[in-house]
Amino acid sequence: DGGITQSPKYLFRKEGQNVTLSCEQNLNHDAMYWYRQDPGQGLRLIYYSQIVNDFQKGDIAEGYSVSREKKESFPLTVTSAQKNPTAFYLCASSIRRGRNEKLFFGSGTQLSVL
Amino acid sequence: GQQVMQIPQYQHVQEGEDFTTYCNSSTTLSNIQWYKQRPGGHPVFLIQLVKSGEVKKQKRLTFQFGEAKKNSSLHITATQTTDVGTYFCAGQGAQKLVFGQGTRLTINP
Repeated sequence: DGGITQSPKYLFRKEGQNVTLSCEQNLNHDAMYWYRQDPGQGLRLIYYSQIVNDFQKGDIAEGYSVSREKKESFPLTVTSAQKNPTAFYLCASSIRRGRNEKLFFGSGTQLSVL
Repeated sequence: GQQVMQIPQYQHVQEGEDFTTYCNSSTTLSNIQWYKQRPGGHPVFLIQLVKSGEVKKQKRLTFQFGEAKKNSSLHITATQTTDVGTYFCAGQGAQKLVFGQGTRLTINP
């Protein structure tokens, strides 16, 4: 089945630790995104990528890093610089980044701090 | 910057009652999208509205886009327990897609 796979479903981070969230898609979509979801808030854009080897900061990029070495993959690293990392992280993709493109979301990763 | 406000934040209804959520943008939008997120799930695309004054229906769901392309609404007629979840609007501005805070709908069967 085509879709977006996020792993792990749950992740725990210790103080000072970097953790990486995986996102893989087999939809052949050019654009990929990372969103952060906090209770009572909408989805906030962390990073996005329109093409392999290129990515752009979103609204809340501080404390996060990404890479896009393959079209199918867009991993997100939550660094120790992110002081409040507890949230639900959603990866999404679209055919391309444009004005009429709908987003397809993965099932998400819940990150918590130990 | 571009902001999208969505109200109410929460809505609890009896099964069979109607439900409406509203979105207002600080800027004119090129389109607005609606997503539904079931409890414990991820957002799923419902619909996109592009034209001024557009109205679209999906069974018991009616979506409207304002004449000025700055506001939108989602109305559910005769809610069912399967309608439970959080409904998000997402407004496409000149540069980016901005999500509203979502309306969480719970239903008493």
